[in-house]
Amino acid sequence: EDQVTQSPEALRLQEGESSSLNCSYTVSGLRGLFWYRQDPGKGPEFLFTLYSAGEEKEKERLKATLTKKESFLHITAPKPEDSATYLCAVRAGSSASKIIFGSGTRLSIRP
Amino acid sequence: DTGVSQDPRHKITKRGQNVTFRCDPISEHNRLYWYRQTLGQGPEFLTYFQNEAQLEKSRLLSDRFSAERPKGSFSTLEIQRTEQGDSAMYLCASSPRIDSEAFFGQGTRLTVV
Repeated sequence: EDQVTQSPEALRLQEGESSSLNCSYTVSGLRGLFWYRQDPGKGPEFLFTLYSAGEEKEKERLKATLTKKESFLHITAPKPEDSATYLCAVRAGSSASKIIFGSGTRLSIRP
Repeated sequence: DTGVSQDPRHKITKRGQNVTFRCDPISEHNRLYWYRQTLGQGPEFLTYFQNEAQLEKSRLLSDRFSAERPKGSFSTLEIQRTEQGDSAMYLCASSPRIDSEAFFGQGTRLTVV
């Protein structure tokens, strides 16, 4: 069965303290890996799509990378406004008709 | 293009009542998804439409849940005989291609009392 596991569940950082979030996946035929940001009470906001191992995408303080078994979301010099839940998700299989999500990492940045 | 729109944003209903939610996807997207999310969890897949055809349903979608997408435009999700366990955020998303990312609406928060 296709599965996505995110770690840690929660992460508290000081402003400016860089770190990485992990997303491990077990799927049959990856058709895309996605990162989203979600603020409380709102829908997920799309950040990145990665399709193949070795691929990297960057946006402001965020950088996403992909290997054959996992993806990392690197956060460089975070600010308090980066506090949110970060969700990892995959499309897989021959139909690729659904996106499967992990449980997310709750990130809190202290000023 | 204003993105995916969902209505209502919040719904409080009594146990046993029926509720219906509406989703308007991004206009050029022919793929539409419904998800359910509870506190501290990631979104959980419910169902998927390509144009007006409902191509996949989660086994989590009991017979009290039904979704439609007439004419391949907006979609509705109906829950009959609501139960307290149905309390959750119901999210709608749309995408332009089979392998692409999906874009989400702001969700409908359902509370069953």
